[in-house]
Amino acid sequence: QVQLVESGGGVVQPGESLRLSCAASGFTLSSYGIHWVRQAPGKGLEWVAFIHIDGTSKSHADSVKGRFTISRDSSKSTLFLQMTSLRAEDTAVYHCVKDGGYYSFDYWGQGTLVTVSS
Amino acid sequence: QTVVTQEPSFSVSPGGTVTLTCGLTSGSVSTNHYPSWYQQTPGQAPRTLIYSTNTRSSGVPDRFSGSILGNKAALTITGAQADDESDYCCVLYVGSGIWVFGGGTKLTVL
Repeated sequence: QVQLVESGGGVVQPGESLRLSCAASGFTLSSYGIHWVRQAPGKGLEWVAFIHIDGTSKSHADSVKGRFTISRDSSKSTLFLQMTSLRAEDTAVYHCVKDGGYYSFDYWGQGTLVTVSS
Repeated sequence: QTVVTQEPSFSVSPGGTVTLTCGLTSGSVSTNHYPSWYQQTPGQAPRTLIYSTNTRSSGVPDRFSGSILGNKAALTITGAQADDESDYCCVLYVGSGIWVFGGGTKLTVL
């Protein structure tokens, strides 16, 4: 069955970088678009980034544009989120999410926690 | 900046009907926003309920339905059950590869 397992979260200081990974199984990563969605403690969900099925078309939320970059390695069925210049407000659980078509989200990973604190 | 609005909280009696809405601070929600709805319980990943305005995701009971009501997207739960007590979140596609989530509605069944 479809599984998405995130890793790479942790505690970092403001201004530092971190790379999140998402291991996909049960489907062919290169056949679907994939999103990153985050949820800050006690807050709602926030869409972060999307990589299109073609692997080259990407989009990022304004709140992370220029600092975060989504990418994938289809040969390893792995999605990445490179995060730089991290801020306290980036503290959240980060989920990778398979695109469900019709501009929706279907399968969600359990998420990995990123804490940005001095 | 696009802001998606939802009621912060709502309550419904067991067996009752409740309609949650998803709007925009500027403009109207239409089917071109492909509104989708997600149910989230604490500690769990969200579950997809409705996509493309009114299509139920696989396995979702038919007591959940989606629509456009006036200038908002709507999620209606008919015959609410105790285990429907959750957070409900909508998301809109606003074009150019950008999605925006609403702040979520905490539904209480009592």
